[in-house]
Amino acid sequence: AQSVTQLGSHVSVSEGALVLLRCNYSSSVPPYLFWYVQYPNQGLQLLLKYTTGATLVKGINGFEAEFKKSETSFHLTKPSAHMSDAAEYFCAVTPRGYSTLTFGKGTMLLVSP
Amino acid sequence: DGGITQSPKYLFRKEGQNVTLSCEQNLNHDAMYWYRQDPGQGLRLIYYSQIVNDFQKGDIAEGYSVSREKKESFPLTVTSAQKNPTAFYLCASSITGEGSGYTFGSGTRLTVV
Repeated sequence: AQSVTQLGSHVSVSEGALVLLRCNYSSSVPPYLFWYVQYPNQGLQLLLKYTTGATLVKGINGFEAEFKKSETSFHLTKPSAHMSDAAEYFCAVTPRGYSTLTFGKGTMLLVSP
Repeated sequence: DGGITQSPKYLFRKEGQNVTLSCEQNLNHDAMYWYRQDPGQGLRLIYYSQIVNDFQKGDIAEGYSVSREKKESFPLTVTSAQKNPTAFYLCASSITGEGSGYTFGSGTRLTVV
């Protein structure tokens, strides 16, 4: 079985500061990894995904994530936070050969002026 | 534009009633999914379907039922057997094939009154 752990249910940063949201996973086979963003009372929007190839993945809105197999991690970063980044972020995993995603419990990003 | 439409956006149910949540997609995706979202719990899989007239239980299927009579439609019925139905329900779809990720609808918020 696979699982996802997101460290920190809430992360607070100042506008312009580095954003780091942590995600660790467990999977019995090599995984596909995803980050999604959710604004209040809306569905989830895909930020980026890792399937194969380059371990540093760039996504929308300036976000990127690095797949580190040795650390079983897929942390999400953005060099400079913007007020519009305030939302909830979900990390998800699916082992290769499977079709359903397993989600973490989410991290709420708070951005202060 | 292609996408997933969930209706209604807000739904109120009296205890003991069954209610059906609608999910329609025009993305020509084969697979469709229902997730339940509760604060601090992330997303939990209720049911999924990879092909018309076939579906599988997810992690929390008890008290729910689904049908997949058309490729475009995957309605979810919350039955009176579901003891704690108040939640945000999200429908998603994906192409078959690994690593494709999901496209989400905007969700239905169900409240028991």
